[in-house]
Amino acid sequence: GENVEQHPSTLSVQEGDSAVIKCTYSDSASNYFPWYKQELGKGPQLIIDIRSNVGEKKDQRIAVTLNKTAKHFSLHITETQPEDSAVYFCAASKGGNTPLVFGKGTRLSVIA
Amino acid sequence: SQTIHQWPATLVQPVGSPLSLECTVEGTSNPNLYWYRQAAGRGLQLLFYSVGIGQISSEVPQNLSASRPQDRQFILSSKKLLLSDSGFYLCAWARRRGEQYFGPGTRLTVT
Repeated sequence: GENVEQHPSTLSVQEGDSAVIKCTYSDSASNYFPWYKQELGKGPQLIIDIRSNVGEKKDQRIAVTLNKTAKHFSLHITETQPEDSAVYFCAASKGGNTPLVFGKGTRLSVIA
Repeated sequence: SQTIHQWPATLVQPVGSPLSLECTVEGTSNPNLYWYRQAAGRGLQLLFYSVGIGQISSEVPQNLSASRPQDRQFILSSKKLLLSDSGFYLCAWARRRGEQYFGPGTRLTVT
């Protein structure tokens, strides 16, 4: 089955700097790759996703890139702000009724 | 728009007591539904998922069970709670295209 590895497990950046979180997946049939942000005590929130027919997607300060050949995808956050501090999860699936397989999460701390 | 509800928000139960957590979704029909558990500071463990009424797939053998009595209702149950059942329980719904949305969660403490 699918296996998703996520790195780093913790990340500290200065406010205004960029943050990058990377994930690799094992199943070449996976075609949907979402990213979630989880704030303390809350449920994860879908912040951006990408499908295998696209190499990059942007939404304001966040972007996701996908390399199907290497089977990895990354989340990029630019101009980080303290409110970006949270745990971020990547996931992968083959779509349809197949459950998402999640990475173990990255705790991002943005230092003011 | 779609909304997902979970209740209760917090729950403290003694070991050996029963459990019933409820999740409902509004604004969509025939969603895929999921139960996850998250231990403190840890990742998301998929417990059960359902692609339709009465259809339940179990991912992890344990003393928990799930039921889907209505299209947009998903219930997580236990007959006798263990200390190890403590955690943050999250319900989620998903479109067939894959986008998945989580509820606010229930914090369960078994004492």
